[in-house]
Amino acid sequence: KAGVTQTPRYLIKTRGQQVTLSCSPISGHRSVSWYQQTPGQGLQFLFEYFSETQRNKGNFPGRFSGRQFSNSRSEMNVSTLELGDSALYLCASSFNMGNTEAFFGQGTRLTVV
Amino acid sequence: QKEVEQNSGPLSVPEGAIASLNCTYSDRGSQSFFWYRQYSGKSPELIMSIYSNGDKEDGRFTAQLNKASQYVSLLIRDSQPSDSATYLCAVKAGAGSYQLTFGKGTKLSVIP
Repeated sequence: KAGVTQTPRYLIKTRGQQVTLSCSPISGHRSVSWYQQTPGQGLQFLFEYFSETQRNKGNFPGRFSGRQFSNSRSEMNVSTLELGDSALYLCASSFNMGNTEAFFGQGTRLTVV
Repeated sequence: QKEVEQNSGPLSVPEGAIASLNCTYSDRGSQSFFWYRQYSGKSPELIMSIYSNGDKEDGRFTAQLNKASQYVSLLIRDSQPSDSATYLCAVKAGAGSYQLTFGKGTKLSVIP
């Protein structure tokens, strides 16, 4: 059974640009959550999707957005990149939003220069 | 604001010893609790989940939950150098959301 797949693995972008990251959850999983991980702040929740609907959003500016498709694949977009957006972006997949386990993809390492 | 606190470490234990990792959380409504292991440069890997008070054992790992004290712990028996990693405690509030709140992690070093 394939795990959570995130693409691309690495990205280098310039300030002011925008970026789109992709996440394919484990087959059969319908819930996808996104997290930002930085050395100073640790893992911080960005947003979560279930059945193509955003269910919850973390405390991030509107430059961060996402969506989920009918096949449960999800994308997140960051517009007008800032240096502080440099981080590891992680996608987590779970079967539903109940008491189930979440599994992370390998992450996308974004560097903004 | 929901918070999850962990001792950042580093926690150093000799090979073969028991490593004890602790976590406290602020939201009394929390229902699901997880331990993830993260090697340097890698993504978090789920190693234990626990949903009810008491102990849950899986191989060399034992998770302990005390909801009254809002406390979760992870014991690693017969620690191996390959256990050297950062251990993240994560808490989920309840049904209807899969938002996990993470602690900053405890860095464990197992000395051969």
